[in-house]
Amino acid sequence: QSVLTQPPSASGTPGQRVTISCSGSSSNIGSNYVYWYQQLPGTAPKLLIYRNNQRPSGVPDRFSGSKSGTSASLAISGLRSEDEADYYCAAWHDSLSGAVFGGGTQLTVL
Amino acid sequence: EVQLLESGGGLVQPGGSLRLSCAASRFTFSNYAMSWVRQAPGKGLEWVSAISGSGGYTYYADSVRGRFTISRDNSKNTLYLQMNSLRAEDTAVYYCAKDLDYGGNSGFDYWGQGILVTVSS
Repeated sequence: QSVLTQPPSASGTPGQRVTISCSGSSSNIGSNYVYWYQQLPGTAPKLLIYRNNQRPSGVPDRFSGSKSGTSASLAISGLRSEDEADYYCAAWHDSLSGAVFGGGTQLTVL
Repeated sequence: EVQLLESGGGLVQPGGSLRLSCAASRFTFSNYAMSWVRQAPGKGLEWVSAISGSGGYTYYADSVRGRFTISRDNSKNTLYLQMNSLRAEDTAVYYCAKDLDYGGNSGFDYWGQGILVTVSS
């Protein structure tokens, strides 16, 4: 069981907007930055969002992140078929002195 | 662009040892913390360990503390993970990842391609 809680699956049609939630606690999301990673099938994860809502260069502005209290969300607008992937949230956990990941959300583009 | 290349994986018997290496290039290695993240077959990501830029601070997941040791050689731009007392549940693809900053408690902006470790008799 993961420390951060994500829905196991999400779906949408091309052009739609989808959101993926990530729930934690005061020891992780509540007191540290949230990061989001995209993992396409058979490949290494890729950083999608850092420090709650910042996009690395090269990541389309269709991807956005937000955080409120002990929860965070990843939003994908203008959904495309190439967005079909697994998405993971992560944060530092203070009392564990380590990083923790969500269980991952498999996004399907219908 | 940043390159991270893992090596040293393979098949090992339960109770055995293995050392993973990660050769880094195209960035100032000593300026950044580095981490290991693993992914068991068909499962999600699990953070394993991190080390600060100088190597002075190390962090471990409870699942590997006391069995795994992370280290780095900044003169060789190489990260290591010494894995002892290996168990079947350590079977996974192990990724080397570059941290966003020096300390070891941030996210990971570059990842290696991953290397498979299989623990089985």
